Amino acid sequence: GIQVEQSPPDLILQEGANSTLRCNFSDSVNNLQWFHQNPWGQLINLFYIPSGTKQNGRLSATTVATERYSLLYISSSQTTDSGVYFCAVAETSGSRLTFGEGTQLTVNP
Amino acid sequence: DTGVSQDPRHKITKRGQNVTFRCDPISEHNRLYWYRQTLGQGPEFLTYFQNEAQLEKSRLLSDRFSAERPKGSFSTLEIQRTEQGDSAMYLCASSLELAGGGEQFFGPGTRLTVL
Repeated sequence: GIQVEQSPPDLILQEGANSTLRCNFSDSVNNLQWFHQNPWGQLINLFYIPSGTKQNGRLSATTVATERYSLLYISSSQTTDSGVYFCAVAETSGSRLTFGEGTQLTVNP
Repeated sequence: DTGVSQDPRHKITKRGQNVTFRCDPISEHNRLYWYRQTLGQGPEFLTYFQNEAQLEKSRLLSDRFSAERPKGSFSTLEIQRTEQGDSAMYLCASSLELAGGGEQFFGPGTRLTVL
């Protein structure tokens, strides 16, 4: 099956800093989503981005499908951005999402 | 749009007991998925339905697990003869499947603890 690798596994920032999270995947995809998991376990949809670039406030994402990677940018980070960020993909032949191991982000005041 | 809902939110049971979880998807969504997440890991796919048809099951879904979506609306996931290794967060998601992939939206999860 498809492999998904996220980096870095852990990231510690000071409030106001910018960061980039990376997601590499091993095969063609028809779905790529970025999620933020809150402390209660709820997965919050950030972006549905199988290709191209999207922006939502301080967050933006870019997926280069031909090179099999996606980037999530967080600008002017806030303490409420802390949590685990997951990248998940679905192969073009299927519908199931395969998740990466996540990036644990800690933003200190 | 009330989002995906799951019930119960928490379940504590003793080893060997049966448990059943319910998921109500977003009303117009035709696909419904079940995932399982253990501590420190990303969610793992278990099974999914398109309308009432179960289209795919993971090898993680042992014979003790069964899922149904009888009228193409809500779904239930039953675990028989629970084991301590079944302790996890069980997540449900739904999507509107058009051509190609559709964005999946997740419920709050059911946290199962098997004593």
